Amino acid sequence: QVQLQESGPGLVKPSQTLSLTCTVSGGSITSGSYYWSWIRQPAGKGLEWIGRIYATGTGSHNPSLKGRVIISVDTSKNRFSLKLRSVTATDTAVYYCAKEGPGGSFQYWGQGTLVTVSS
Amino acid sequence: EIVLTQSPGTLSLSPGERATLSCRASQSVSSTYLAWYQQKPGQAPRLLIFVASIRATGVPDRFSGTGSGTDFSLTISRLEPEDSAVYFCQQFGSSPPTFGGGTKVQIK
Repeated sequence: QVQLQESGPGLVKPSQTLSLTCTVSGGSITSGSYYWSWIRQPAGKGLEWIGRIYATGTGSHNPSLKGRVIISVDTSKNRFSLKLRSVTATDTAVYYCAKEGPGGSFQYWGQGTLVTVSS
Repeated sequence: EIVLTQSPGTLSLSPGERATLSCRASQSVSSTYLAWYQQKPGQAPRLLIFVASIRATGVPDRFSGTGSGTDFSLTISRLEPEDSAVYFCQQFGSSPPTFGGGTKVQIK
């Protein structure tokens, strides 16, 4: 069973870069034909897809984030990462990493990590 | 992007009752790319249904999904206390993938 675990700072200052890593266990990030995604959820609100990456490094991100997103993969460490530049208070949320499954669903999720943007 | 509108916002029902949750898309979504999730407080979402009607591993058969085009629904045939949660629909027929705003199911 694939397991995912997010890690990174829980507090980021406005205008700085949010950096998170998702470590995958129970399977190789290179196996199968599925993408690995980042999704976020502000407190009490809905879910927003941030972007995704394939093991080869191919990926895409949500245009709503206006190019502030960089997602990378490190197959040697079986993990992938998120960088979100120029953060503001509206980027405060629980950030999840997830493995995509059949039909573009998100089959496996990390437990989530709260990132607060505040000075 | 495709907007998913879920209704009702909140559903309050008794154990054993049937719950029907609606998810309406702003444009047609291939049923291949429609999923449903359950989220309990403090937890990550859990995949319930994918490809509109296929239950994920370990999901009880009281959960069922149906629909096509712009109208999809999730039915919980006989509510159990542990079904108290927020339920989200999600599409990936068109990028970016989007989620509905959620339906909160409360068990009386």
